Amino acid sequence: QQQVKQSPQSLIVQKGGISIINCAYENTAFDYFPWYQQFPGKGPALLIAIRPDVSEKKEGRFTISFNKSAKQFSLHIMDSQPGDSATYFCAAHEGSQGNLIFGKGTKLSVKP
Amino acid sequence: DGGITQSPKYLFRKEGQNVTLSCEQNLNHDAMYWYRQDPGQGLRLIYYSQIVNDFQKGDIAEGYSVSREKKESFPLTVTSAQKNPTAFYLCASQDKAYSTNEKLFFGSGTQLSVL
Repeated sequence: QQQVKQSPQSLIVQKGGISIINCAYENTAFDYFPWYQQFPGKGPALLIAIRPDVSEKKEGRFTISFNKSAKQFSLHIMDSQPGDSATYFCAAHEGSQGNLIFGKGTKLSVKP
Repeated sequence: DGGITQSPKYLFRKEGQNVTLSCEQNLNHDAMYWYRQDPGQGLRLIYYSQIVNDFQKGDIAEGYSVSREKKESFPLTVTSAQKNPTAFYLCASQDKAYSTNEKLFFGSGTQLSVL
């Protein structure tokens, strides 16, 4: 049972375009939603995160949009750059006793 | 530099052999985790430890074992019972035990392959 569904599996965007990655969840007990960025051969690193009491969070070119009623959240990368080419994972955390549950990842390629 | 060190970067396992992956952190973090990454499968939790001398099974613990004798070290043994061990293994740490909305710090991973 996949608790966090991520789409698309892969994404190709032109330089300067907007990259959008979507995630959906079922468990309403999830209370923290981070996004991690992973470059080939490296471990993931936290990019940006949001809690469900906020509908949007922006950090530079990266924005999380959160729709609590639809149980969906998405990552928007504005003005996408070739250096943004990486695999992106959404995740969700369930309370103080739970662990992070990751989506399956989206491989983003930004073409120059 | 503070961080998480995983070694070796590449490891090969022969049939029936146990192998141990090292994970050391100098961040003074309480919690440590082991994840397995397969292409297109995301990160799946193998084992985690919130405090020294205590650890719990994650979603895919079968065929693996861990120990947490020191705060800074959390080695993972892939036993011969793990029939499909080829994967990228990631160690992570978190500052506070039992904490929500805390950042995970990841090592650079170990790629394990079967000979």
